[in-house]
Amino acid sequence: QKEVEQNSGPLSVPEGAIASLNCTYSDRGSQSFFWYRQYSGKSPELIMFIYSNGDKEDGRFTAQLNKASQYVSLLIRDSQPSDSATYLCAVGDGGTSYGKLTFGQGTILTVHP
Amino acid sequence: GAVVSQHPSWVICKSGTSVKIECRSLDFQATTMFWYRQFPKQSLMLMATSNEGSKATYEQGVEKDKFLINHASLTLSTLTVTSAHPEDSSFYICSARSSGQPQHFGDGTRLSIL
Repeated sequence: QKEVEQNSGPLSVPEGAIASLNCTYSDRGSQSFFWYRQYSGKSPELIMFIYSNGDKEDGRFTAQLNKASQYVSLLIRDSQPSDSATYLCAVGDGGTSYGKLTFGQGTILTVHP
Repeated sequence: GAVVSQHPSWVICKSGTSVKIECRSLDFQATTMFWYRQFPKQSLMLMATSNEGSKATYEQGVEKDKFLINHASLTLSTLTVTSAHPEDSSFYICSARSSGQPQHFGDGTRLSIL
């Protein structure tokens, strides 16, 4: 059974700090990796996706992927109170399952002023 | 781009009734649509994967006769919860993707069965 594990939260950081969210996955054949943000009572919103080893940056967000270690992370620089949400790590199936995702349990992030 | 519309946003109905939820991709053709269910303080649980023109593939433990999925076109999928009961109350979320692209989620439907 494919598993996706996220670092236990909740995570609390001060405004302006770097928030680091981590995720490990069990299926070595996984090819695509996603970070979604979910505000309370809302549906998930895509933040970043990464397919290749290394770093991918988009504004204040950086996704890091290490397939050898089966590890993916999300860094949020200059954290803002509006970043407070649950962050979901999702791993895509590398086979022919039409892009099915396995989600982690989520990490609650709180950015306090 | 990549807008997914889900309707209705919330439903309250009596036990035993059937409820239909629509999921539309507004600005792209969705080769695949997915239906998830999320209980409070839990992560998303995939219910089924739907490809246009073919039968949905249900995850283990999901009753296909209770959760009817129709994917009639590249922009529309529907989920019908038949003979709903209080234990079916949940947050139902659809997502859609085109080939090679990430999934994008609808706004979700909060279903409450009395």
